[in-house]
Amino acid sequence: DQQVKQNSPSLSVQEGRISILNCDYTNSMFDYFLWYKKYPAEGPTFLISISSIKDKNEDGRFTVFLNKSAKHLSLHIVPSQPGDSAVYFCAARDSGAGSYQLTFGKGTKLSVIP
Amino acid sequence: DAMVIQNPRYQVTQFGKPVTLSCSQTLNHNVMYWYQQKSSQAPKLLFHYYDKDFNNEADTPDNFQSRRPNTSFCFLDIRSPGLGDAAMYLCATSSSGLASKFFGPGTRLTVL
Repeated sequence: DQQVKQNSPSLSVQEGRISILNCDYTNSMFDYFLWYKKYPAEGPTFLISISSIKDKNEDGRFTVFLNKSAKHLSLHIVPSQPGDSAVYFCAARDSGAGSYQLTFGKGTKLSVIP
Repeated sequence: DAMVIQNPRYQVTQFGKPVTLSCSQTLNHNVMYWYQQKSSQAPKLLFHYYDKDFNNEADTPDNFQSRRPNTSFCFLDIRSPGLGDAAMYLCATSSSGLASKFFGPGTRLTVL
């Protein structure tokens, strides 16, 4: 049973517009959420994170929003650039399992069209 | 640059023939992980080392073993690869207490 779900396998966005990637989770013990970005032939790279005590975290063009009541988080990229084209993974940490276990979603492939 | 290195990047083995994948890191992180990722699937944690302490996930098959001879190196041994073990194998590191992990580029394993 998937505890972290990224229901959109792919997303296409025009350069300069906003990209919104969504992630839903089911485990109420998740207390920390991360987004990773993965280019082909490379490993995932940490992008941005958010603690469950916050509802927003911003880093440059990237903002993550967390809605705990809905068990939903989203990553906003504004403005989108062609170099943002990659697979984005949502991941969550179970507070009961310690910091070592992250549960990943299946990823969303973002294509930014010039 | 501090990094996580995996060798080889591509590995082809025969059904049932043991194979070893290697990972090294220059980050001096005390925790090292091995993930398996199949096409269009989420990365799945196989096991991790906290310093020298080995922690196996409950659903990791016995066919998968690991060694960590020192802080910098970690190996994944697949004793008798099956066709279902064909996947990308990702090594990652972290410092204890931090959730974010640094990933290597992965080794793509093909089983013939």
